[in-house]
Amino acid sequence: SQTIHQWPATLVQPVGSPLSLECTVEGTSNPNLYWYRQAAGRGLQLLFYSVGIGQISSEVPQNLSASRPQDRQFILSSKKLLLSDSGFYLCAWSIGGLAGGQETQYFGPGTRLLVL
Amino acid sequence: QKEVEQDPGPLSVPEGAIVSLNCTYSNSAFQYFMWYRQYSRKGPELLMYTYSSGNKEDGRFTAQVDKSSKYISLFIRDSQPSDSATYLCAMRSYTGRRALTFGSGTRLQVQP
Repeated sequence: SQTIHQWPATLVQPVGSPLSLECTVEGTSNPNLYWYRQAAGRGLQLLFYSVGIGQISSEVPQNLSASRPQDRQFILSSKKLLLSDSGFYLCAWSIGGLAGGQETQYFGPGTRLLVL
Repeated sequence: QKEVEQDPGPLSVPEGAIVSLNCTYSNSAFQYFMWYRQYSRKGPELLMYTYSSGNKEDGRFTAQVDKSSKYISLFIRDSQPSDSATYLCAMRSYTGRRALTFGSGTRLQVQP
């Protein structure tokens, strides 16, 4: 069965510091991978998605970047964190290579980031 | 206007009640509909997935889609305290943008 991991679970960082959040998926090959952010009391906002190694699409301009160095690894980064980067960051995966809207997405446990 | 509207709640019901959670949407291109359950400080967990109008049942959960009215519902029968969570609806179109469009979530509290 497939499993998705995220770490760390919680992170407190000062403003201006760098960020690296990691997500890995087990039990599947060539998945589509996603980074979402969830603000308190609000829905999920897609930040980045990837259909393959080195292929990253950005949904919204922001202070963050993403990379996919390996098939089942997705990294969210920032060079300098802002207060507004605080939130709950969720990684998700779906089966790759399917046409159209058949991609049900499965979420990881999330990373809670607090920027002070 | 948001593409997907969902009442944030909280919705408080007694144990054993039937719960009705709803979302409305404005984008007629949405064809695939999902319900996720999210416990506090956890990632969303997929509950139901459907792509056609009508009802789909899975245990105590029934998902209902009315594409003509752009309205989806999730019914929970015999609700339990363990059902207390935030329920998120999500949807996407057949082509184009890969991301799911989420409602803001309804917080449900089932009182023992």
